[in-house]
Amino acid sequence: GQQLNQSPQSMFIQEGEDVSMNCTSSSIFNTWLWYKQDPGEGPVLLIALYKAGELTSNGRLTAQFGITRKDSFLNISASIPSDVGIYFCAGQSATAGNKLTFGGGTRVLVKP
Amino acid sequence: NAGVMQNPRHLVRRRGQEARLRCSPMKGHSHVYWYRQLPEEGLKFMVYLQKENIIDESGMPKERFSAEFPKEGPSILRIQQVVRGDSAAYFCASSPYVDEKLFFGSGTQLSVL
Repeated sequence: GQQLNQSPQSMFIQEGEDVSMNCTSSSIFNTWLWYKQDPGEGPVLLIALYKAGELTSNGRLTAQFGITRKDSFLNISASIPSDVGIYFCAGQSATAGNKLTFGGGTRVLVKP
Repeated sequence: NAGVMQNPRHLVRRRGQEARLRCSPMKGHSHVYWYRQLPEEGLKFMVYLQKENIIDESGMPKERFSAEFPKEGPSILRIQQVVRGDSAAYFCASSPYVDEKLFFGSGTQLSVL
């Protein structure tokens, strides 16, 4: 089946830092989505990308749909404490019935 | 416009009992998806339904698990004769069209004693 490799698995941030995470796949996706999940809650959609090469921003978040359609990255600029959580990438493919395939998540934590 | 509603939020069952998880999609959404999440892992697809029809159940175990989305009422994920390995968070998502982005509910945390 389709698999998404998301990295890093976890990262520590300091307030004000920029952070970056990415997802790669051996399969092509026609849509990439980035979600954030807080403890005990469902994933909340942050950004949706529909075209190869597309670069989309949502506030301090920026995401890009890779040209090969097999990867995507998410950047968070000037991080703040509420950015803590788990970020998931998800790919959607017509060949997979449009169901989402999720990466393993990037856990963002605050530096002690 | 209310979001995707799931209930109960927490469900405790003993081994061998049945678990019923409910999901009411967002208003106007006719596509429902169920996902399972184990601790420290991503979400794994289970089943995709569109009003009264199961479109894709490739991620759902063949035994003990079933799902429905009737013409009226919420979608139901049913797990019969639960075992400890069924303990997980179960999330429902809905979308208005087949290739539209998904919106998730807050999940049902199933604990099997």
